[in-house]
Amino acid sequence: GAVVSQHPSWVICKSGTSVKIECRSLDFQATTMFWYRQFPKQSLMLMATSNEGSKATYEQGVEKDKFLINHASLTLSTLTVTSAHPEDSSFYICSANRGRNQPQHFGDGTRLSIL
Amino acid sequence: DAKTTQPPSMDCAEGRAANLPCNHSTISGNEYVYWYRQIHSQGPQYIIHGLKNNETNEMASLIITEDRKSSTLILPHATLRDTAVYYCIVRGGGADGLTFGKGTHLIIQP
Repeated sequence: GAVVSQHPSWVICKSGTSVKIECRSLDFQATTMFWYRQFPKQSLMLMATSNEGSKATYEQGVEKDKFLINHASLTLSTLTVTSAHPEDSSFYICSANRGRNQPQHFGDGTRLSIL
Repeated sequence: DAKTTQPPSMDCAEGRAANLPCNHSTISGNEYVYWYRQIHSQGPQYIIHGLKNNETNEMASLIITEDRKSSTLILPHATLRDTAVYYCIVRGGGADGLTFGKGTHLIIQP
């Protein structure tokens, strides 16, 4: 069964709206979670590393003020896309791993469409 | 993390074994080989991983060459539901995000 749950699975909203996406590890504690973005016909790109109890680490070119990450507990990380615009429309996916040398498990993704 | 090279696409007949190759000639001693697949519009699914020994689980087998510069993922009896993009990823034991290449689009033909 799924070990990482992501919600919502689909969001359609107007330009300028902020959207929050949740990622939960279901049966393990994850001090680190990861957020990826995938545009059509492209591969997944790592956006940021979410660290429980501390600031997230963002990949080069990802705006930290636009993509707010909060990792408030060992089982929950949230990604908020602030003032979303059509170019932010994408497939957002989170992941977590149980520990060192363990595989990452991915959520089912959130399809974000900004009109 | 070491870079990997995979063929962009492969076809396989349903019921036959699907053998997906991956080259990782710059792999270092502490890096594992991971395989994931992504079915359209879903998050990636973990398949298998290994360090240097061959591995087998309920989904697949992983064959790693002795010099560790390449590996092969084997789906023993492919079904239509195995049609997906398969990613071979090499990473160390740290808590870093994954670097996805373009993967191999495996198409299972009926």
